[in-house]
Amino acid sequence: DTGVSQNPRHKITKRGQNVTFRCDPISEHNRLYWYRQTLGQGPEFLTYFQNEAQLEKSRLLSDRFSAERPKGSFSTLEIQRTEQGDSAMYLCASSLDMGWYGYTFGSGTRLTVV
Amino acid sequence: GQQLNQSPQSMFIQEGEDVSMNCTSSSIFNTWLWYKQDPGEGPVLLIALYKAGELTSNGRLTAQFGITRKDSFLNISASIPSDVGIYFCAGANYGGSQGNLIFGKGTKLSVKP
Repeated sequence: DTGVSQNPRHKITKRGQNVTFRCDPISEHNRLYWYRQTLGQGPEFLTYFQNEAQLEKSRLLSDRFSAERPKGSFSTLEIQRTEQGDSAMYLCASSLDMGWYGYTFGSGTRLTVV
Repeated sequence: GQQLNQSPQSMFIQEGEDVSMNCTSSSIFNTWLWYKQDPGEGPVLLIALYKAGELTSNGRLTAQFGITRKDSFLNISASIPSDVGIYFCAGANYGGSQGNLIFGKGTKLSVKP
């Protein structure tokens, strides 16, 4: 297993367009998380899945954002009608039920909205 | 969103020097974590702390979980060029359905060879 995989690594889009990112977690991990990281800041929690159930959503996750994890495997994060303020690194992480040393981050998708 | 107070924001040190950084919060956490992030990559876990007062080492890294459960520090001994990067503290109250981390803004470490 090569770890948490995120695609694409970079995305440039025009304001108002929709974008979708994909995260493939470590295969045996049942928990999956999405974070957003802007320049000069630490990652900020967006949402969390246990298997296919979305159990927690941050107030940062506006109505334009939607995340899915069909069948409890890969996850997608969609941003509709992108705004310049959406420009950030979007990080995915996965873990088993317990144990911080297995809580693994992917390399992220860098979104630039122009 | 909520973030932890991490200091210093950045530091420049000579190779071989020891480094200290700390993190404080207005909230109590039952777990403190320290991560390192290289440019264009995701954070990588360095040390996890689970009990107030706990002192844990990982090679040249040592971290402590504050007694009040509202702070933590990380020390790096005998720094080397590959220590360059951004170090983040993170707090968590892990249990049940929770799993989100609260991160600091990071300490950027630059080493002069």
